[in-house]
Amino acid sequence: LAKTTQPISMDSYEGQEVNITCSHNNIATNDYITWYQQFPSQGPRFIIQGYKTKVTNEVASLFIPADRKSSTLSLPRVSLSDTAVYYCLVENTGGFKTIFGAGTRLFVKA
Amino acid sequence: DTGVSQDPRHKITKRGQNVTFRCDPISEHNRLYWYRQTLGQGPEFLTYFQNEAQLEKSRLLSDRFSAERPKGSFSTLEIQRTEQGDSAMYLCASSLAREQYFGPGTRLTVT
Repeated sequence: LAKTTQPISMDSYEGQEVNITCSHNNIATNDYITWYQQFPSQGPRFIIQGYKTKVTNEVASLFIPADRKSSTLSLPRVSLSDTAVYYCLVENTGGFKTIFGAGTRLFVKA
Repeated sequence: DTGVSQDPRHKITKRGQNVTFRCDPISEHNRLYWYRQTLGQGPEFLTYFQNEAQLEKSRLLSDRFSAERPKGSFSTLEIQRTEQGDSAMYLCASSLAREQYFGPGTRLTVT
């Protein structure tokens, strides 16, 4: 499974767009990229998943360049409640072992 | 759909005791995962079930850890002869496809 690298922490202000980039240089052809959000004392919550180009849902967008060696989670107009840890995962379609890194701690300030 | 539930939510035990945690997945989900999470770290994969079959098991899981999923429904994770290093949050997740739905976790404290 490809190792992922994310910034340890990021700060933002309410109303701003936040972009969190994840590096996964050794991503394989059968791997896809998933992002989870976790609040203190709760289990992670699925945000978005993609294989290439751009994916958008009601809470976020995921940008994946052609070489797929990185991905960027974009959170539009963050609020205080978006303060959480965000995990980037690379998962294999044929396997079931999920590897979480240390994640990115996002602090949203008023 | 009430989501993934875990019981108990908190467990304090003395070193050397055995503990068992239960996970009830979302009813139609055939995949079930166990993770362990310590403070400041991401969840660490422990094991995976598809229906009642345990298909993946991390090398992190020592012989003191065992998990079952009888009849492909709820799952139990047992830790025998607990050690202080076992203190962590134990998370369960279930899925039908790729998206995993996590429970609230069981926080274990070994004194």
